[in-house]
Amino acid sequence: QSVLTQPPSVSGAPGQRVTISCTGSSSNIGADYDVHWYQQLPGTAPKLLIYRNNNRPSGVPDRFSGSKSGTSASLAITGLQAEDEADYYCQSYDSSLSTSGVFGGGTKLTVL
Amino acid sequence: QVQLQQWGAGLLKPSETLSLTCAVYGGSFSGYYWSWIRQPPGKGLEWIGEINHSGSTNYSPSLKSRVTISVDTSKNQFSLKLSSVTAADTAVYYCAREGGVVYWSGYYGGRTYYMDVWGKGATVTVSS
Repeated sequence: QSVLTQPPSVSGAPGQRVTISCTGSSSNIGADYDVHWYQQLPGTAPKLLIYRNNNRPSGVPDRFSGSKSGTSASLAITGLQAEDEADYYCQSYDSSLSTSGVFGGGTKLTVL
Repeated sequence: QVQLQQWGAGLLKPSETLSLTCAVYGGSFSGYYWSWIRQPPGKGLEWIGEINHSGSTNYSPSLKSRVTISVDTSKNQFSLKLSSVTAADTAVYYCAREGGVVYWSGYYGGRTYYMDVWGKGATVTVSS
């Protein structure tokens, strides 16, 4: 059972907008800890997609954006493309566990 | 461009010790903490533990009794050992760099970071 809860799957058609939620609690996201997002393409290592809630590393398209409010965070993908089909993970710090090594369970994005 | 290259035994029998090494190329080693993360087949990411250049470690509570992470600064390498493995330890094991460190964050403090560089992963299978 992950400390951060993500929907197991989401889907969307090419060109559409999808969002992936990451729900935490008062000991992590709700305690104003940053949320980071990773994209894992099939058969590859995870790649940092969004850091500190809403920042994109160099090379990440601006179709990807992040937000945070209360005890939850969201990853939004606009103009969905076939190449976006991947698993997405959120990560944050948890004060009860005293570690940043806390991941959501992951969300499989299917591009229809 | 920092790169992480990892290697180790890929097939183990139950009760044996898993051993993996990760080498850091092309960047600073001493300025960072370094993590091990694993991913069982078809499942999500699980943080195992971390180490810095001076050998300071932190481990996941669920694995702490079986995990040892060590560092060799002369080679810019860090290693993972996991003892008494079972089939449940079958996974892809990743090494990663902890970037963007903030030493006091949120309401309650704590060192926060994200994984900004990852190794390609090493598959470890435990089977009799």
